Amino acid sequence: QKEVEQNSGPLSVPEGAIASLNCTYSDRGSQSFFWYRQYSGKSPELIMFIYSNGDKEDGRFTAQLNKASQYVSQLLIRDSQPSDSATYLCAPLTEGKSTFGDGTTLTVKP
Amino acid sequence: EAGVTQSPTHLIKTRGQQATLRCSPISGHTSVYWYQQALGLGLQFLLWYDEGEERNRGNFPPRFSGRQFPNYSSELNVNALELEDSALYLCASSFMWGGSYNEQFFGPGTRLTVL
Repeated sequence: QKEVEQNSGPLSVPEGAIASLNCTYSDRGSQSFFWYRQYSGKSPELIMFIYSNGDKEDGRFTAQLNKASQYVSQLLIRDSQPSDSATYLCAPLTEGKSTFGDGTTLTVKP
Repeated sequence: EAGVTQSPTHLIKTRGQQATLRCSPISGHTSVYWYQQALGLGLQFLLWYDEGEERNRGNFPPRFSGRQFPNYSSELNVNALELEDSALYLCASSFMWGGSYNEQFFGPGTRLTVL
């Protein structure tokens, strides 16, 4: 079993809908959690980071973190736009090392 | 503020040769990370340097090595290149604040092709 699990997708949602991406990780020593967006042929860019249990909102993006049992993080994208079509990578951070999931490919259809 | 820079953008080598990739972190960042991303696959952690020292290493053979210079820039060396080393190599930088590690910012990457 991988340390970081993501649904590979592809996940397809219509424009304006809510896209929900999930990430499960097993490292209980993780200090913080990051979500990155990667467009095809480009390098990843940070879109959200969260340090503690609960929700964090930034514009149309909400990151949720639950350390209670198996560590789970969810990224919600409200009012999805075609420009949100990309691969989304999650990464728990432990002692300076990020372990990335393989990513979920999201397609937002106009 | 300038972001993370990497050079060269593209690098073509043949099997058995050595490749050297370079990275300059964001000003003020002391940590540099290296990742390998093969086509269509996820990011695989290679190396982490902080304050000039190697802090952690991923599951890669010893022919993958690197170093960090006093100005915090970094170099990744890949010896005895193999065809499967063809990938996008990404460098990221970060800083430590209050005892915590912070988000990583990625450079544009170096596309290494081994023929």
